[in-house]
Amino acid sequence: EAQVTQNPRYLITVTGKKLTVTCSQNMNHEYMSWYRQDPGLGLRQIYYSMNVEVTDKGDVPEGYKVSRKEKRNFPLILESPSPNQTSLYFCASSLRTGNEQFFGPGTRLTVL
Amino acid sequence: AQSVTQPDIHITVSEGASLELRCNYSYGATPYLFWYVQSPGQGLQLLLKYFSGDTLVQGIKGFEAEFKRSQSSFNLRKPSVHWSDAAEYFCAVGAQPDYKLSFGAGTTVTVRA
Repeated sequence: EAQVTQNPRYLITVTGKKLTVTCSQNMNHEYMSWYRQDPGLGLRQIYYSMNVEVTDKGDVPEGYKVSRKEKRNFPLILESPSPNQTSLYFCASSLRTGNEQFFGPGTRLTVL
Repeated sequence: AQSVTQPDIHITVSEGASLELRCNYSYGATPYLFWYVQSPGQGLQLLLKYFSGDTLVQGIKGFEAEFKRSQSSFNLRKPSVHWSDAAEYFCAVGAQPDYKLSFGAGTTVTVRA
């Protein structure tokens, strides 16, 4: 089944404790992206990748890192999480830039 | 600056009634337009998309949307809603050169019996 998977789905952590949210797609998509969803703000793009080893900042990149060493994986790294990063995070992928994006199920992160 | 506006934060509609969700955008280039639906606790699912051609597009679950360039709008419609249509709906717009998607804030739809 074609899908985007994220792990973990739920995470509660404390300020400053490094964490990684994994994202994987099995559709051989070139384009991958991370969003955060906050009430009243819709989805805002954090980082995106147009292909392996090609990443760029979205609208709200501060406090996040990403890497794209393989086509299928696009992990999101929070080196020192803070409470303002409490949010619902979505990974998405598309065949290439401009095509429709397929979304993962989301990761709900709480930073205490 | 590029922007996407969904003027209605929350809409309540009776089952069987029609539904229209508004989306306005501000883009310099010809946009690519999408509507996504998010059911409670779920990810986003694509309802329909407009890239070019016929300005009235059909999507899944009986939804349709009309692109009106003169009004910079891409409103979503459904003639008769079902209780399962209760969800949050997002309009998204992308444009050249990077096609980065910008999302509206979303409209929550409640369906009453």
